[in-house]
Amino acid sequence: DQQVKQNSPSLSVQEGRISILNCDYTNSMFDYFLWYKKYPAEGPTFLISISSIKDKNEDGRFTVFLNKSAKHLSLHIVPSQPGDSAVYFCAASRGNNRLAFGKGNQVVVIP
Amino acid sequence: ETGVTQSPTHLIKTRGQQVTLRCSSQSGHNTVSWYQQALGQGPQFIFQYYREEENGRGNFPPRFSGLQFPNYSSELNVNALELDDSALYLCASSPAGREPGELFFGEGSRLTVL
Repeated sequence: DQQVKQNSPSLSVQEGRISILNCDYTNSMFDYFLWYKKYPAEGPTFLISISSIKDKNEDGRFTVFLNKSAKHLSLHIVPSQPGDSAVYFCAASRGNNRLAFGKGNQVVVIP
Repeated sequence: ETGVTQSPTHLIKTRGQQVTLRCSSQSGHNTVSWYQQALGQGPQFIFQYYREEENGRGNFPPRFSGLQFPNYSSELNVNALELDDSALYLCASSPAGREPGELFFGEGSRLTVL
């Protein structure tokens, strides 16, 4: 049972434009949400997180939005850079390190 | 550079065999967890160790077992390998004081079961 879902497996975006990645979850007990980034032949790297008491968290070019009523979160990357080309995983937890991951979105930033 | 190293990076086993995967994390990272990432899927939580005790397990059978050692290293053991065990196995560690879920992942061990 996939508790965290990422649709649109791949996204291509022009350098300098916005990348928007979406994620839906089914378990209302999740209270912490994270995005991880993965380059080929490397492990996932933590990018940004948000707790369920917030609806927005920003870190430089990366912003995560949380809509609890819709059980939906999104990651915005502005402006997109070629180095952002990677697979992005959405993850959720119940306030611990036991993460439920989505299948990932491949992002390609075109120079 | 996450400070988490895994070995071996690649290995091939046959069905029914046993495998041990190893992970070394940074000093002070007293929580270690293991994830299985099948092709085209996201990582799936196997189990977590804290101070050498298992303190959380995902939906994996008992033939998946682990150990954590005082020197911040850990092992994942899989007995009676099945073809579906072919996957990338990721070790992740976390120091105290981090936000929940902020893990440092190793590069993974890619296991192929023939």
